[in-house]
Amino acid sequence: DAGVIQSPRHEVTEMGQEVTLRCKPISGHNSLFWYRQTMMRGLELLIYFNNNVPIDDSGMPEDRFSAKMPNASFSTLKIQPSEPRDSAVYFCASSFGGGQYNEQFFGPGTRLTVL
Amino acid sequence: QQQVKQSPQSLIVQKGGISIINCAYENTAFDYFPWYQQFPGKGPALLIAIRPDVSEKKEGRFTISFNKSAKQFSLHIMDSQPGDSATYFCAASRYSSASKIIFGSGTRLSIRP
Repeated sequence: DAGVIQSPRHEVTEMGQEVTLRCKPISGHNSLFWYRQTMMRGLELLIYFNNNVPIDDSGMPEDRFSAKMPNASFSTLKIQPSEPRDSAVYFCASSFGGGQYNEQFFGPGTRLTVL
Repeated sequence: QQQVKQSPQSLIVQKGGISIINCAYENTAFDYFPWYQQFPGKGPALLIAIRPDVSEKKEGRFTISFNKSAKQFSLHIMDSQPGDSATYFCAASRYSSASKIIFGSGTRLSIRP
């Protein structure tokens, strides 16, 4: 298995532009998580899905952030408009939520820089 | 009550020494305590985990000690090696079909050769 796949790996954009981050979870996993990591705030959970349904989006910082999971093999995190304070590494993780203690498998991350 | 508090923020240990990272939680509903390891430029990866029905779990040089009454748990790395240099996150979650994991703030560990 290729693991969790994220794209792009690096993104540099200007303030005000729309940014879309993509994630392909591990096949067979039914839970997907989006995290943001910064030096100041550490690893923050933004939103997570179970069976393609958003379960908890309380970590989404504001309305500029939105996430979708149209099917079991794809999710997007969109920032519109982007701001310099959104600069961070964004991780996607997936797990098999079959009622077990669920190990989360993280992707390599997308490093976002907003100028 | 959802927080997991982790200390220290950073740690420097000599090669061959013991590295100790501590965590504390408030929510007694937590029943699964994993530790994740993150190398620079990579995503976190599960290192070792414990459930509260045992007080200690050992995997190679890595040991989790768990104190249910104090609501504390710690990671011990014996015979620390330069390759152990990474950021370590403690975490807690509840048994659930879609349980989210609450991560600590992380400890940056450096092992000096």
